Amino acid sequence: EIVMTQSPATLSVSPGERATLSCRASQSIYINLAWYQQKPGQAPRLLIYGASTRATGIPARFSGSGSGTEFTLTISSLQSEDFAVYYCQHYNNWPPYSFGQGTKLEIK
Amino acid sequence: QVQLVESGGGVVQPGRSLRLSCAASGFTFSRYVLHWVRQAPGKGLEWVALISYDGSDKYYADSVKGRFTISRDNSKNTLYVQMNSLRAEDTAVYYCARVYGSGYGGGMDVWGQGTTVTVSS
Repeated sequence: EIVMTQSPATLSVSPGERATLSCRASQSIYINLAWYQQKPGQAPRLLIYGASTRATGIPARFSGSGSGTEFTLTISSLQSEDFAVYYCQHYNNWPPYSFGQGTKLEIK
Repeated sequence: QVQLVESGGGVVQPGRSLRLSCAASGFTFSRYVLHWVRQAPGKGLEWVALISYDGSDKYYADSVKGRFTISRDNSKNTLYVQMNSLRAEDTAVYYCARVYGSGYGGGMDVWGQGTTVTVSS
């Protein structure tokens, strides 16, 4: 089973600054990775798939990178609506389709 | 518009059963692989099960294998999960979600609003 580990658990960043979130897979998942954003009381929202492709309607300030076991979600110039919890999820060598434990992005 | 709407949640005693439904609209239901994903209170996301386009392939998380059954009725544009032998640890918000594009892999691009299941005596 592939284990997804996200870091840090909580990230404090000021509006307008850049945020960098990490996700590590316990074995290579190539680029079979998605990122989601979840706000309190809401369903998750797909941001990135294929490690680096933005989903429909996702602003360009969100970017994904990485392959193999190391992945990064970068949010440039944070907006107030970006403060949320972010999850990575793999879809390689399933089941299961494991999620990371999440990174809470909070206002500094 | 493209939409998934879950229903069927509620409070149930340990050991009892519950069936959740997920009604789809705005897209060709039979062309998409579908998931159930859950989220325990204050916790992260946990994948539960997946079903293929025609329902012939089904996959489950170890935590629910043998107790949950995923199914779909393409004539009714509805996804189901039958949950038997419920445990306290099954308490969660249950989401249905659509796989983006064709195939079994890919992100989940459409999610329902979730339905809450509470297992308690």
